[in-house]
Amino acid sequence: SQTIHQWPATLVQPVGSPLSLECTVEGTSNPNLYWYRQAAGRGLQLLFYSVGIGQISSEVPQNLSASRPQDRQFILSSKKLLLSDSGFYLCAWSVYPGEVHEQYFGPGTRLTVT
Amino acid sequence: RKEVEQDPGPFNVPEGATVAFNCTYSNSASQSFFWYRQDCRKEPKLLMSVYSSGNEDGRFTAQLNRASQYISLLIRDSKLSDSATYLCVVNPPPSGGSYIPTFGRGTSLIVHP
Repeated sequence: SQTIHQWPATLVQPVGSPLSLECTVEGTSNPNLYWYRQAAGRGLQLLFYSVGIGQISSEVPQNLSASRPQDRQFILSSKKLLLSDSGFYLCAWSVYPGEVHEQYFGPGTRLTVT
Repeated sequence: RKEVEQDPGPFNVPEGATVAFNCTYSNSASQSFFWYRQDCRKEPKLLMSVYSSGNEDGRFTAQLNRASQYISLLIRDSKLSDSATYLCVVNPPPSGGSYIPTFGRGTSLIVHP
């Protein structure tokens, strides 16, 4: 069966510090991968998605970046965090093309920028 | 008009009640539809897909109305454990080798004793 891992689970970082969040998927090949952010009391905001190694599409211009160095690894980074980067960061995977179109989410990383 | 709209609630119902949520979407070419459940401070989890013919999973029934562009979720015999936020998700036609789903903001359900 497929599983998705994210770490760390929680993170407190000062403004201006760098960020690296990692997501890995097991049990599937060539998944589509997604990074979302959910601010407190808000909906899900798609940040990046990837259809393959090295292929990144950005949905929202900001100080974040994403990379996919391996098929089942997706990394979210920032060189300098802003207070507004605080939120719940979720990684998700799906399969395309295929019969199944839904996404499956990792447990998330709760980031607080102080 | 927002792409996917949900009543944020909260819907506050007693145990055993039947409750229904609706969700409207703007893209008539949308291809697949889902309900997710999100508990407080947790990740969204797939509750059920929504098919044109309607589908049922235990106490949960989902319906799709393409003509009116809405989907619904009916929960019968509500349990305390049903308390959560329910997210409506709509997939437009794929783009660039991927589905880019649109999430509603969610409907909050509180089931009380």
